Amino acid sequence: DTGVSQNPRHKITKRGQNVTFRCDPISEHNRLYWYRQTLGQGPEFLTYFQNEAQLEKSRLLSDRFSAERPKGSFSTLEIQRTEQGDSAMYLCASSLVERAGETQYFGPGTRLLVL
Amino acid sequence: EDQVTQSPEALRLQEGESSSLNCSYTVSGLRGLFWYRQDPGKGPEFLFTLYSAGEEKEKERLKATLTKKESFLHITAPKPEDSATYLCAPHRRDDKIIFGKGTRLHILP
Repeated sequence: DTGVSQNPRHKITKRGQNVTFRCDPISEHNRLYWYRQTLGQGPEFLTYFQNEAQLEKSRLLSDRFSAERPKGSFSTLEIQRTEQGDSAMYLCASSLVERAGETQYFGPGTRLLVL
Repeated sequence: EDQVTQSPEALRLQEGESSSLNCSYTVSGLRGLFWYRQDPGKGPEFLFTLYSAGEEKEKERLKATLTKKESFLHITAPKPEDSATYLCAPHRRDDKIIFGKGTRLHILP
């Protein structure tokens, strides 16, 4: 257990529905990242926050995806009008940026299946 | 464009049979390189960070090394519990991490 938690762990939804995932990072970590991982692939970067500011969004993140990190604590990732291609594992990672560098610690992921 | 290639894609070893996993990368503005272990259905678990060519780090039966274009993860006398997917992830100066597809390692008892 890395200390990063994600909920729910599994989500099954019908195409066209909206879904929201939550990530609770390690409390003293100032950065939070979202990734998507499909079978046989490594995680792909989606977006990240430093405290409450969203610093970058990947081209992979269509306008149906939105992420927030109110007050710089937990984060939510919402997918609107889900499509079958959104089926994947959604991973959250948190890190503390220090002079020596940065190490990202991952949560267990939320597995999404869109029917 | 950034590229990360891990080889082999899959590797089966007998318990105790040492080997190495390769990660070749072309990444602009490299800050460092991470190695992660991932078990099925779980998030990646941090193993090592390497920052400069020639650097080596060890943890139990694992040793990671770094050159300017490659990183190796050496596994000495592996045990069945070392079976997992091992992910290489160069870290760019703009904070982006580029993951390889991983090497699926299976250690037979």
